[in-house]
Parts: sequence; structure tokens; C-alpha cells
Amino acid sequence: AQKVTQAQTEISVVEKEDVTLDCVYETRDTTYYLFWYKQPPSGELVFLIRRNSFDEQNEISGRYSWNFQKSTSSFNFTITASQVVDSAVYFCALSEAISNTGKLIFGQGTTLQVKP
Amino acid sequence: GAGVSQSPSNKVTEKGKDVELRCDPISGHTALYWYRQSLGQGLEFLIYFQGNSAPDKSGLPSDRFSAERTGGSVSTLTIQRTQQEDSAVYLCASSQGLYNSPLHFGNGTRLTVT
Repeated sequence: AQKVTQAQTEISVVEKEDVTLDCVYETRDTTYYLFWYKQPPSGELVFLIRRNSFDEQNEISGRYSWNFQKSTSSFNFTITASQVVDSAVYFCALSEAISNTGKLIFGQGTTLQVKP
Repeated sequence: GAGVSQSPSNKVTEKGKDVELRCDPISGHTALYWYRQSLGQGLEFLIYFQGNSAPDKSGLPSDRFSAERTGGSVSTLTIQRTQQEDSAVYLCASSQGLYNSPLHFGNGTRLTVT
């Protein structure tokens, strides 16, 4: 069965610290996509990144980086030099090709609080 | 361009009443999804529409929940005889409908059942 687990419910860091948000997934499909979304206090989910199951290259976008490891079924998200504006709930999600619907299976989310 | 629009942004209703939540997807997006986010919970899939295909209703929690999508565009989620456990944020998203297409979410409707 498909499942996404974000074991960290809440994380609190001080500004400029690095922080890693963990995501572990389960799927029987060999072709799938993994996503990260950010939900700031305003409530709207903002798409951050998409990664397909055949591309294990790490990706960096500014202060954000993602580490995809199929061997451990993990897709972790690191924020370097965190800022107060990074405070939000972050969701990891899975989409399976077999369904061909684009339906996302979400983790429970990790609430990140960055203190000044 | 315009994003996904949801209305109302907030809705307070009495237990037992019916409510309708509206979603206007991004123009050209063929797929539309409804999710529910309860306090402190993740996002729970409710229903999915793709073009003229039969909707995937597998996530609807009870027969009190239903949804329509008219003309392949606007969608309405209806909850009949609301219960307090229906209180949540209802999020609508649209996409180009492929399994690798990012979903674009609206701001949601916060439903409170008193």
C-alpha cells in the first residue's frame, strides 16, 4: 500500500540554523513522483519540488536542497541558514504512475518554527 | 494568471444543515481534486475529477458528501446534514492531470460546524 511518513511533527530552530525534514514513503509502483509542498500561515499550499523515481540526483535551489535515496525510500528536505519566513508546515507527497490520476498521497506534515 | 479560487473562505454552519463549497480551477486544467485538512492532520483525499471520466470518489468519508463538476470547470462539494466532525479546511486543487503534474491549491474553505 502507498504511504508517506513524516515522523517529525514539529521542529523548532533558531534563525540561521540548518534543518532537515524527513520523509519516508512506501509504494509498490516502480514509477512514481515525490513532491514537497509548503503551507505558510496564510494556508495556501505552495509547490516546491517534484522528483521522479528514476532520478536520484540531489537537487539544490538556493537555500533548499533535497536528498532522494531509493535504497531507504526517503526524500529528505534540508533548509540551509533558515529564516523566519521559512516557518510553515511542510508536506511530502507521493504520486504513483499506476493510478495515472495525479492524486497525491500526503504525509502528516512537519511544522517548522524558525525563531529570530 | 489566476490561481485556484475557492469560496467562501470561511463558513460557519449549524449541525444538521447542508453546505456547498465552490472551487474554480485554473483555466485549462483538466483535473480537479478535493482534499480535507483537519486540525493538526495531513491532507485527506476526497474526490478527483478528470475531464469527462467518471470521478474517483474513493475518499469521500460518507454518503453525506458529494461533489459535482459542471462543464469540466467549476466544482461544488456538498456536505449534507453536517456534523461537528466535518469541521475542517476543505482544499481544492487543479492540475494538468498527469501523474507527474504538480497540484495547484486554492486557499481553502474553513468550515466550522457548531
